[in-house]
Amino acid sequence: ETGVTQTPRHLVMGMTNKKSLKCEQHLGHNAMYWYKQSAKKPLELMFVYNFKEQTENNSVPSRFSPECPNSSHLFLHLHTLQPEDSALYLCASSSTQGSNEKLFFGSGTQLSVL
Amino acid sequence: AQTVTQSQPEMSVQEAETVTLSCTYDTSESDYYLFWYKQPPSRQMILVIRQEAYKQQNATENRFSVNFQKAAKSFSLKISDSQLGDAAMYFCAYRSVGGSQGNLIFGKGTKLSVKP
Repeated sequence: ETGVTQTPRHLVMGMTNKKSLKCEQHLGHNAMYWYKQSAKKPLELMFVYNFKEQTENNSVPSRFSPECPNSSHLFLHLHTLQPEDSALYLCASSSTQGSNEKLFFGSGTQLSVL
Repeated sequence: AQTVTQSQPEMSVQEAETVTLSCTYDTSESDYYLFWYKQPPSRQMILVIRQEAYKQQNATENRFSVNFQKAAKSFSLKISDSQLGDAAMYFCAYRSVGGSQGNLIFGKGTKLSVKP
């Protein structure tokens, strides 16, 4: 257990559905991240939040909408997704204070878009 | 742009033996960080080892060590005394010094199997 919890673990949704992925960290970190892990492709960084402010958006389509209400919680709101969005979505957190820059990952949400 | 290449999609090792996973990268930067992450079936990515490019000494963490060849842009991971729990996907990753901590460029991974 790394201290980063993601729910749900699995999600199946249709292209017209709206769903949300949740990530929670209990480590006191100030930075949180969303990654996409597709089959046979490298892990890709999607969004970065630092002290609740979005600092990076790596050209992610608008059908993915992140939300960070506080430093402990991160959401990824999904709407009108495409089948190619099926992937493992990983959340991570870290502390940008001090020299220890280790990333802590959750177990991910395996998303299937039908 | 930086790239990371892992040329071994799958590797296999006998329990208690040693295995080396390969990673090469391409960059024009002189200072950067390199990482090896492990992803077991639980899907959580776990940091195995970290190397700072300006340090010539190879990083070690217990049974895990790296062979960092900066001129060759090579960063291999050696696992000694392999254990069944080492079976996982292993990802090599690169990060620029100025980028955010999460801005890693990952390779496609190597699936390691450990035979009892």
